[in-house]
Amino acid sequence: DAGVIQSPRHEVTEMGQEVTLRCKPISGHNSLFWYRQTMMRGLELLIYFNNNVPIDDSGMPEDRFSAKMPNASFSTLKIQPSEPRDSAVYFCASRLTGYEQYFGPGTRLTVT
Amino acid sequence: KNQVEQSPQSLIILEGKNCTLQCNYTVSPFSNLRWYKQDTGRGPVSLTIMTFSENTKSNGRYTATLDADTKQSSLHITASQLSDSASYICVVSGAGGYNKLIFGAGTRLAVHP
Repeated sequence: DAGVIQSPRHEVTEMGQEVTLRCKPISGHNSLFWYRQTMMRGLELLIYFNNNVPIDDSGMPEDRFSAKMPNASFSTLKIQPSEPRDSAVYFCASRLTGYEQYFGPGTRLTVT
Repeated sequence: KNQVEQSPQSLIILEGKNCTLQCNYTVSPFSNLRWYKQDTGRGPVSLTIMTFSENTKSNGRYTATLDADTKQSSLHITASQLSDSASYICVVSGAGGYNKLIFGAGTRLAVHP
């Protein structure tokens, strides 16, 4: 298995632009997580999906952030409009309920 | 408030030496505690996972301990190698719900030749 796949690996954009991050979970996993990692705050859970349904989005910072999981093999995290303080590494992770989470390689987002 | 605190924040050791990283948590109720290794530019990878009833668990040169009474854990690295240079993150899962993970800030370890 290729593991969790994220794209793009790096994204540089200007303030005010829309940014879409993509994630393909491991085949057969039924849970998907989006995390954000910064030097100041470490790893933070943004949103958790189970069987494609959002279960916990309490970590989504504000309305500028939205996430979707249209099917079991794809999820997106969108930021519109982006701001410099959104600069971070965004990780997607997946798991089969009751088992270990596997993290993707992350997307490094820089908003100038 | 559920928190996970790690110390030291960073550490430099010479290749071949041992080191111990510390983790204190206030998460309650408690389900399990994990140690993750995160190489630069990569996602975290699980090293060990321990439940309430487990005191120690090893993974090669990595040995984790857990004292659920004092809510403390440690990660001991034996005979360090250059490839051990990474961030080590202590993660605690609360019981109930979907076992949400609560992450420590990590210890940045640098192993020098």
